Amino acid sequence: DVKVTQSSRYLVKRTGEKVFLECVQDMDHENMFWYRQDPGLGLRLIYFSYDVKMKEKGDIPEGYSVSREKKERFSLILESASTNQTSMYLCASSVLGYEQYFGPGTRLTVT
Amino acid sequence: QKEVEQNSGPLSVPEGAIASLNCTYSDRGSQSFFWYRQYSGKSPELIMFIYSNGDKEDGRFTAQLNKASQYVSLLIRDSQPSDSATYLCAVTRASYDKVIFGPGTSLSVIP
Repeated sequence: DVKVTQSSRYLVKRTGEKVFLECVQDMDHENMFWYRQDPGLGLRLIYFSYDVKMKEKGDIPEGYSVSREKKERFSLILESASTNQTSMYLCASSVLGYEQYFGPGTRLTVT
Repeated sequence: QKEVEQNSGPLSVPEGAIASLNCTYSDRGSQSFFWYRQYSGKSPELIMFIYSNGDKEDGRFTAQLNKASQYVSLLIRDSQPSDSATYLCAVTRASYDKVIFGPGTSLSVIP
């Protein structure tokens, strides 16, 4: 079975902190994605990557950056956390053009 | 116009009935279509994918695609209370392109 893991299920950070969310997949998938999910707004794509060291902006990249140094690992970075970044963050991976497999999610609270 | 639209619901059906979930998309270049199920507090999981016009059946689930009308649907036969969840429609143009998710339809199956 495909396994996508995320570094934390719950995280509480203070405004202005630099926050790292890590995602690891074990199926050698080319594509990896970071989404945030908020009530009433659905899944919104932050960044995606279709290869090592490659990244593409999604719909809401502002305030975020990403890093993909190895194929299996895709990191989301909040440079200076703000309260409006309180959300559920979901990582996903996929083979090119096929279905996505999601991690369990990280519920981030910024106070 | 939103790229992928779904009725937000909630859609309520009695146990044993057929649940019909609809999705429309705006990009005529879309090639791959997915249905995900998301239970409350959990990550989305793939139910069905469809690439060609027509119907695709898998157990109690049938996906229907009509590219000319830019319409994809999911039918759930013999609905069970365990089918109560939010159903997300997702669409992509190509292997290297981002996946666009709809806002989801909340389904409630009443015993």
